[in-house]
Amino acid sequence: QSVLAQPPSVSEAPRQRVTISCSGSASNIGRNAVNWYQMLPGKAPKLLIYYDDLLPSGVSDRFSGSKSGTSASLAITGLQSEDEADYYCAVWDDSLNGWMFGGGTKLTVL
Amino acid sequence: EVQLVESGGGLVQPGGSLRLACAASGFTFSSYEMNWVRQAPGKGLEWVSYISSSGSTTFYADPVKGRFTISRDNTNNSLFLQINSLRAEDTAVYYCARQLGIAVAYYFDYWGLGTLVTVSS
Repeated sequence: QSVLAQPPSVSEAPRQRVTISCSGSASNIGRNAVNWYQMLPGKAPKLLIYYDDLLPSGVSDRFSGSKSGTSASLAITGLQSEDEADYYCAVWDDSLNGWMFGGGTKLTVL
Repeated sequence: EVQLVESGGGLVQPGGSLRLACAASGFTFSSYEMNWVRQAPGKGLEWVSYISSSGSTTFYADPVKGRFTISRDNTNNSLFLQINSLRAEDTAVYYCARQLGIAVAYYFDYWGLGTLVTVSS
């Protein structure tokens, strides 16, 4: 099963801004809403962004999402050490009749 | 409070079988679509299977088609994954996830902590 393209890792200093990209195709990102998840060791995956750019209740507004065409992005501002985690984009693929996940991006706060 | 608790994982030999379960509580289970997602050691998330709220519709990822079967018991608020003909590459933490949304906008709003399946001789 193919995956959506994400950079394997990104790093930035505290209090700075970082973006994570997610590249797909017409059958997935081009047609359906993109979601973003945060994974911390030993914890359940956490929904960060849904419907391309909406924040679930309780998620910090330092997180934001956007989409254009067949690509999406997650932005995190005011980086904190607690943001160090793995981040995944996900979207339904109409051609495969299944969910697609990005390969995951490991965020390091320097 | 919404809770999803997976169980049934363990060490199994190649070619063996396991039945994973996900106990749901804190919401009307029969109203929600559900999914299984897995993460192999050191790898990313991989979607495994989907089931509609009634159980009438199911989808599977290509690597598991014909070997895995998703099902649910809405009376007892439980989701299941029967996994047969296990291979080393099926070694992973298996998560159940609740699906929410409409039309072209769906998402997983709650996940369990997962259950580890290890396939090894």
